[in-house]
Amino acid sequence: EVVLTQSPDFQSVTPKEKVTITCRASQSIGSSLHWYQQKPDQSPKLLIKYASQSLSGVPSRFSGSGSGTDFALTINSLEAEDAATYYCQQSTSLPWTFGQGTKVEIK
Amino acid sequence: QIQLVESGGGVVQPGRSLRLSCAASGFSFGNFGMHWVRQTPGKGLEWVALISYDGTKKDNVDSVKGRFSISRDNSKNTLYLQMNSLRAEDTAVYYCAKDPYGSGGDYFDHWGQGTLVTVSS
Repeated sequence: EVVLTQSPDFQSVTPKEKVTITCRASQSIGSSLHWYQQKPDQSPKLLIKYASQSLSGVPSRFSGSGSGTDFALTINSLEAEDAATYYCQQSTSLPWTFGQGTKVEIK
Repeated sequence: QIQLVESGGGVVQPGRSLRLSCAASGFSFGNFGMHWVRQTPGKGLEWVALISYDGTKKDNVDSVKGRFSISRDNSKNTLYLQMNSLRAEDTAVYYCAKDPYGSGGDYFDHWGQGTLVTVSS
């Protein structure tokens, strides 16, 4: 199975700062990489699909990049409401797998 | 709007069975693949099972093969997960999630609120 490793596990950030979370796949997965945001006591919410495709209703400060084995989620100008855990997920081969998550805390 | 509402969770003894349900509304349920995904504090998010729009394609993660079975009733807009021979390691919040396509093989564009399953004697 494809193993996804996120970095860092935890990040404490001040508002308006830029945040970058990386996701590395154990084998090439093309662009079949998706990002989710999970706020405390909520279910995950899709943020970015196919590595870099934005979604309607998601703030433009969220962007994704990468292909193959290395991917990144960037949050430009972090806002307080962005405090959450972020997960990457691959859909190139079953079983679909997730990264371990990156928790973003607001200082 | 799209709603997915899980039910059927609870506390169950090891070796027993439980059936989860997910009631869908706000979209053409019979046109989309569906999934079950679980979450534990220790293992994070884990995809469990998928079913295509018409129920002809199914698959699940190795750790539940032979014990869990996914099914759907398109006339009732409902997704199911039959869980047999439950183990302590199956303890988790179980989410149903919608696929953007009929075949059920991509990302999860909508999630339910989850239902907690606790396997304990």
